[in-house]
Amino acid sequence: NAGVTQTPKFQVLKTGQSMTLQCAQDMNHEYMSWYRQDPGMGLRLIHYSVGAGITDQGEVPNGYNVSRSTTEDFPLRLLSAAPSQTSVYFCASKSGTNEKLFFGSGTQLSVL
Amino acid sequence: SQELEQSPQSLIVQEGKNLTINCTSSKTLYGLYWYKQKYGEGLIFLMMLQKGGEEKSHEKITAKLDEKKQQSSLHITASQPSHAGIYLCGADPSGTYKYIFGTGTRLKVLA
Repeated sequence: NAGVTQTPKFQVLKTGQSMTLQCAQDMNHEYMSWYRQDPGMGLRLIHYSVGAGITDQGEVPNGYNVSRSTTEDFPLRLLSAAPSQTSVYFCASKSGTNEKLFFGSGTQLSVL
Repeated sequence: SQELEQSPQSLIVQEGKNLTINCTSSKTLYGLYWYKQKYGEGLIFLMMLQKGGEEKSHEKITAKLDEKKQQSSLHITASQPSHAGIYLCGADPSGTYKYIFGTGTRLKVLA
């Protein structure tokens, strides 16, 4: 049982480039979410999904796009990377209310 | 909007010492989660508290949620180097699925 898998682990982009961070879970969880972690800011919610075909914005959604075509996958797209998007990104999933979040191991992204 | 404030921001203790980390919410909590993050890794679930006055323990770590459900504490007894990392509290305000997290407490345990 792999849990929540994020790829890649590290990525360097140039300003203006686009890319997709991948997140997959094999626990049949309906809820999936993306966070960014910055020094002194804790984890901040970017986007989340409560099921296939349903997505919603979190606290810091600007510059990011998501879709949820399957229960297993929840990719995060950076449309035009900016240095302000340099951060560590975490994907998390859970099965229902009052259940714990399962986190991936993170993607460290640098935008030059 | 609801916010979680953690204190202290960082902590350095000698091995064997006890320590406490606090998490204070600006509004009533409807569930409080504690996670541990090893440097450069993902978050590991420690405990979840839901009821006012609830207390849970796992090995040498005890977490409590106060009666008013606005403050939680995480207490480590007889700390070990393996306890080192970043401790974060998190919550789901009013069951909206828009989870929030504290800024974290960095713990270092000196052998």
